[in-house]
Amino acid sequence: DAKTTQPNSMESNEEEPVHLPCNHSTISGTDYIHWYRQLPSQGPEYVIHGLTSNVNNRMASLAIAEDRKSSTLILHRATLRDAAVYYCILRAYSGNTPLVFGKGTRLSVIA
Amino acid sequence: GAGVSQSPRYKVAKRGQDVALRCDPISGHVSLFWYQQALGQGPEFLTYFQNEAQLDKSGLPSDRFFAERPEGSVSTLKIQRTQQEDSAVYLCASSLVGLSDGANVLTFGAGSRLTVL
Repeated sequence: DAKTTQPNSMESNEEEPVHLPCNHSTISGTDYIHWYRQLPSQGPEYVIHGLTSNVNNRMASLAIAEDRKSSTLILHRATLRDAAVYYCILRAYSGNTPLVFGKGTRLSVIA
Repeated sequence: GAGVSQSPRYKVAKRGQDVALRCDPISGHVSLFWYQQALGQGPEFLTYFQNEAQLDKSGLPSDRFFAERPEGSVSTLKIQRTQQEDSAVYLCASSLVGLSDGANVLTFGAGSRLTVL
């Protein structure tokens, strides 16, 4: 799977929107963009995924650049419970390869 | 239960002991994965099952690591003659469909934290 680049850490104030960036300049046309997050002392948790169009679900929104070389996970209103490590992962459409995690972005939320 | 269950949550072993870690996936999930997560790092893939077949074990770090899923449901990760470098959190995940679907979503358990003294 193609490599992704994320900032090591970010900080947000509670109840404000958070934009978590991910660069994936070597993405192929058939790679899905997946986001998972890992709360302290828990396993990773699926957040959202997309291919080309922007996606929304109850947890977050995913904005994908027109050239697909970058994407942004948007938490519309950060809460203390959103403090976690966020992983941006590319998955081949039918590559038969497992999820490959990088180091992710550690998000801190300040009350 | 509704989620992936792992046991034990915590295990302390003396160097050289054998350990077994259990994973109960979500009922009906075809795929099962094991990952190893060292402190401060992202999870690293160990092995993958589709039903009872172990289709990928490329991430197992040595022949001391062995995984099985004999009936296509519960899985056990066994580590023989544990070493200090085996200390990590071992995560199990399952998914409804096979690995060939790029939109495949994984559900993870809380993990088993192994400490080797």
